[in-house]
Amino acid sequence: GAVVSQHPSWVICKSGTSVKIECRSLDFQATTMFWYRQFPKQSLMLMATSNEGSKATYEQGVEKDKFLINHASLTLSTLTVTSAHPEDSSFYICSARVRAQGLGANVLTFGAGSRLTVL
Amino acid sequence: SQQGEEDPQALSIQEGENATMNCSYKTSINNLQWYRQNSGRGLVHLILIRSNEREKHSGRLRVTLDTSKKSSSLLITASRAADTASYFCAMTTSGSARQLTFGSGTQLTVLP
Repeated sequence: GAVVSQHPSWVICKSGTSVKIECRSLDFQATTMFWYRQFPKQSLMLMATSNEGSKATYEQGVEKDKFLINHASLTLSTLTVTSAHPEDSSFYICSARVRAQGLGANVLTFGAGSRLTVL
Repeated sequence: SQQGEEDPQALSIQEGENATMNCSYKTSINNLQWYRQNSGRGLVHLILIRSNEREKHSGRLRVTLDTSKKSSSLLITASRAADTASYFCAMTTSGSARQLTFGSGTQLTVLP
């Protein structure tokens, strides 16, 4: 089945540094990937839609200069949290749409998530 | 963007019992999906039900959809300790067919 690999699974950094999170589709091409943010015991909030070869589409309230998204190939999207601060500490999850056989609908395959802690 | 509401927020049951989670949403949908998330992990797709379907089964899972009430339920029968996880409904709406909007989630704990 479709597999999305996300790396790193956890990262601790100092305030002011930048952190890059990678999301790779391992056995399929993903023209579109989605980045979510999840706070403890809460739901997933869509941050942005990453489109291969073009600019990402950000959700309202998400700073594009703060959360840089690059989707340079059909199998890799990256999220860079720039000048991270403690309030950026969260669980970040990427996903890619997989065309489900016989369903014709967008079923998402998720990465395992990245836990970011900013000190 | 629309978000579904799920209840209960948390559910604790004994192994072997059935677990029922409910999801309500606000606008018309194309389909509704259920996902499972183990603690600190990504989500795994469980089942999808289309707007023109009323019930669907997959193993120990049974999903219902009532579009007139804008609600769906997920039933897990004969629960196991390994079913302990958070469960989220997710909706694809008519106006944003390329995005999924997630519900608030139900934390299920199955006690051995």
